[in-house]
Amino acid sequence: GAGVSQTPSNKVTEKGKYVELRCDPISGHTALYWYRQSLGQGPEFLIYFQGTGAADDSGLPNDRFFAVRPEGSVSTLKIQRTERGDSAVYLCASSPRGQGGETQYFGPGTRLLVL
Amino acid sequence: GQNIDQPTEMTATEGAIVQINCTYQTSGFNGLFWYQQHAGEAPTFLSYNVLDGLEEKGRFSSFLSRSKGYSYLLLKELQMKDSASYLCAVSEVGSARQLTFGSGTQLTVLP
Repeated sequence: GAGVSQTPSNKVTEKGKYVELRCDPISGHTALYWYRQSLGQGPEFLIYFQGTGAADDSGLPNDRFFAVRPEGSVSTLKIQRTERGDSAVYLCASSPRGQGGETQYFGPGTRLLVL
Repeated sequence: GQNIDQPTEMTATEGAIVQINCTYQTSGFNGLFWYQQHAGEAPTFLSYNVLDGLEEKGRFSSFLSRSKGYSYLLLKELQMKDSASYLCAVSEVGSARQLTFGSGTQLTVLP
């Protein structure tokens, strides 16, 4: 398929553990976004990449959260010392150039459960 | 900052028409999106409005009034598969292209 893919689809971990969530954007899309969605809520912005650089990480809740995109394609969201409040669906989206008004295409998400 | 409001839930009958409203407040409007999200799935793009007026796309239409900070999504000839959450999202001038979403409207289509 040509859409955004995310792995794993589900992740269960224990409080205090480290997790990595992967996003593979649509080929050729330079802009990549991470959002977090809690039950019954809309997605909340976490971080935006333009190419390899994080253009805006203002949505990351604290320094336990970090994301990289070393080659301008695949991105990894890393969460250290997970807490129960981190449980949510983590959505990744990509868009062709990251221009205003551009449609963002979402992946199916990773459902993270912290026990 | 932005504040986006939409009803939490709506119910309609198969074959009917339903209008889902969205109001927003923003310091620099740069477009409004509607997404559809079925339970456990990714949000999928429905429509984009940046100018006032109605955009029609098959059974779905979206309207925008920038002066009123108001949009609606109109769904015609409802089908059971239209049961989903409908998300209103705003893009803001000067932001890093992020979208700010409302909490979504859960639409249930009854037979």
